[in-house]
Amino acid sequence: DAGVIQSPRHEVTEMGQEVTLRCKPISGHNSLFWYRQTMMRGLELLIYFNNNVPIDDSGMPEDRFSAKMPNASFSTLKIQPSEPRDSAVYFCASSSPQTRFNQPQHFGDGTRLSIL
Amino acid sequence: KQEVTQIPAALSVPEGENLVLNCSFTDSAIYNLQWFRQDPGKGLTSLLLIQSSQREQTSGRLNASLDKSSGRSTLYIAASQPGDSATYLCAVSGSRLTFGEGTQLTVNP
Repeated sequence: DAGVIQSPRHEVTEMGQEVTLRCKPISGHNSLFWYRQTMMRGLELLIYFNNNVPIDDSGMPEDRFSAKMPNASFSTLKIQPSEPRDSAVYFCASSSPQTRFNQPQHFGDGTRLSIL
Repeated sequence: KQEVTQIPAALSVPEGENLVLNCSFTDSAIYNLQWFRQDPGKGLTSLLLIQSSQREQTSGRLNASLDKSSGRSTLYIAASQPGDSATYLCAVSGSRLTFGEGTQLTVNP
C-alpha cells in the first residue's frame, strides 16, 4: 500500500503567484481531507470530500483557496493569489467511507509551503 | 465553538515509565474522539478512535478513555519506549473536526 501521496513536498514561491498542491489518496478510500498546520493556529480542517463531492468547506479561509476532486484518485488545493500568511504545512488525508469522522484517517507527509 | 485543550504541552520521562496525556473539550456533544501521533516532518498517524458511546479503547500499550459528560479524555501509555517520542494530538468530532495543540513527548533512554 503506497499510502497517501502529496506533491510537491516543498514549495517556495513569491506572493501573488498561484500555488497548486496535489494529493493522491489511498486506493479504495472514498473520503479525502485537506488540512493546514501552523504554529499559531495548530491543525485546521479546510475541506473534505465524500465520493469526490465537497461536503464541508467551511474551514477554507478565503475565496483565494479552492479545492477540487475530479476523480477518486486525485485532488488539488489551489491558492490564488498566494500571500505570506498562507505559509504553512498542508496535509492531505484519506479514509474509508465515513460519516461524522468515524473512520481512522491516513495522512500524507504534507507539503511545506513558503510564500515570500 | 468547540475548544480542545491538551495538557501538558510537553513531557519528558525516562524509558519504562507509565504516563498519561490529557485532552479536554468544551462541548460534550461529540460523535467520537481520536488520538493521533505526529513524528517530526511527517503527517499524523491514527492511534485510537473512541465512539461517543464507548468509554475506552485499547491498542497494545495504549489505552484511551473518554468521559463525554465531563469533556475529558486520557491517553495512557504503558512502559514507555524511546520510539514513543512524538507529538500526540487529540481531535473531537462534532459539527466539525477540532484538534488540540498536542503534547510533545520525549522518552529518554
